[in-house]
Amino acid sequence: AQKITQTQPGMFVQEKEAVTLDCTYDTSDPSYGLFWYKQPSSGEMIFLIYQGSYDQQNATEGRYSLNFQKARKSANLVISASQLGDSAMYFCAMREVTGNTGKLIFGQGTTLQVKP
Amino acid sequence: GAVVSQHPSWVICKSGTSVKIECRSLDFQATTMFWYRQFPKQSLMLMATSNEGSKATYEQGVEKDKFLINHASLTLSTLTVTSAHPEDSSFYICSARSGGWATDTQYFGPGTRLTVL
Repeated sequence: AQKITQTQPGMFVQEKEAVTLDCTYDTSDPSYGLFWYKQPSSGEMIFLIYQGSYDQQNATEGRYSLNFQKARKSANLVISASQLGDSAMYFCAMREVTGNTGKLIFGQGTTLQVKP
Repeated sequence: GAVVSQHPSWVICKSGTSVKIECRSLDFQATTMFWYRQFPKQSLMLMATSNEGSKATYEQGVEKDKFLINHASLTLSTLTVTSAHPEDSSFYICSARSGGWATDTQYFGPGTRLTVL
């Protein structure tokens, strides 16, 4: 069964510094996708970045980059130059391709607080 | 980008009443919609997968008779919490998939906060 683990319940980072949010996963499906979402206090889920299991390069989207280490089954999110508006809960999620359900399984989440 | 709406955004109801939450894809046809539940400071838990024109597939442990899901059209899915009780108070989020493949993008609605008194 697929599983997503985020071991950091809460993180603090100083404004303008970089921060890494950890995510490990477990799946037997050779084809899968990994996602990161941001959830501010308003509750909306904001898509940040996606990494496919067969992608050769680490995904990047602006200040967000995904450190994908397939052998270690980790997909850490790196936020560079943190901003106060980055304070939110962050979720790592995985989607298996086999079975074509499209279901997303979420990790426990990490609450990030950016200090001025 | 694709937009998914939910209505209402928040609702307060008395114990024992039923509450209906709507999830609409505004500018695309959603063959599949997903319903999630989230308690404060916790993760999203998938409740069910809803395919247009067919019965929803519920995750293990989710009461089908308690959480009725209807996906009558390609743009609308509804979740009805029947005989709601305080323990049903939660944040309910839907997402909609634009295509028929697992790799198609899912778009999330803004969520509905349910409080049962």
